[in-house]
Amino acid sequence: DIQMTQSPSTLSASVGDRVTITCRASQSISSWLAWYQQKPGKAPKLLIYKASSLESGVPSRFSGSGSGTEFTLTISSLQPDDFATYYCQQYNSYSGITFGPGTKVDIK
Amino acid sequence: QVQLQESGPGLVKPSQTLSLTCTVSGGSISSGSYYWSWIRQPAGKGLEWIGRIYTSGSTNYNPSLKSRVTISVDTSKNQFSLKLSSVTAADTAVYYCARAKIFYDYVWGSYRVDAFDIWGQGTMVTVSS
Repeated sequence: DIQMTQSPSTLSASVGDRVTITCRASQSISSWLAWYQQKPGKAPKLLIYKASSLESGVPSRFSGSGSGTEFTLTISSLQPDDFATYYCQQYNSYSGITFGPGTKVDIK
Repeated sequence: QVQLQESGPGLVKPSQTLSLTCTVSGGSISSGSYYWSWIRQPAGKGLEWIGRIYTSGSTNYNPSLKSRVTISVDTSKNQFSLKLSSVTAADTAVYYCARAKIFYDYVWGSYRVDAFDIWGQGTMVTVSS
């Protein structure tokens, strides 16, 4: 199984801040990594796929980078709608999919 | 616009089988371009992939749940289903169905399954006597 970790687990930030979340895989997953945003009581929403490709309709303040085992999600200027929990997910392995434990972004 | 909707009992007794259905609307489950998955999330916790199915009936399951999971597809009803046997309180969670596109990876010369681009709203299942 490929294990995913995220840091930090919680992040306190203000509107307008630049925010970076890190995701690490226990072995190389090439660029097969996605990022999701989840708000309370809602299903996750795809933000980034293939490590750095922006899903249609997602604001350009979201960006992803990385390959191999280390990845980052960056929000260039945090907006009120961005306070949520963010999950990374690997889909390199045809036999299994795993998610990171999540990073909660809350108001400072 | 494709939408997914989960349905099924909200309460299941311990040791029984949890059964859920995901109905696909706005598109055909038989299009052959997607894998259809189940994912769950216990309250206040992270996401766990349960398994997926292709329109042909081909499945992949999470190794940690494989012995208890069956996912099936009914193309005539545009639905796919989840059965999880011998449930315990640890299976209490919100259960989501989701879609992932299949694409050809020209670098590796093989088909791959992409990220989950469409999700159902989720359905809460509680395991309790």
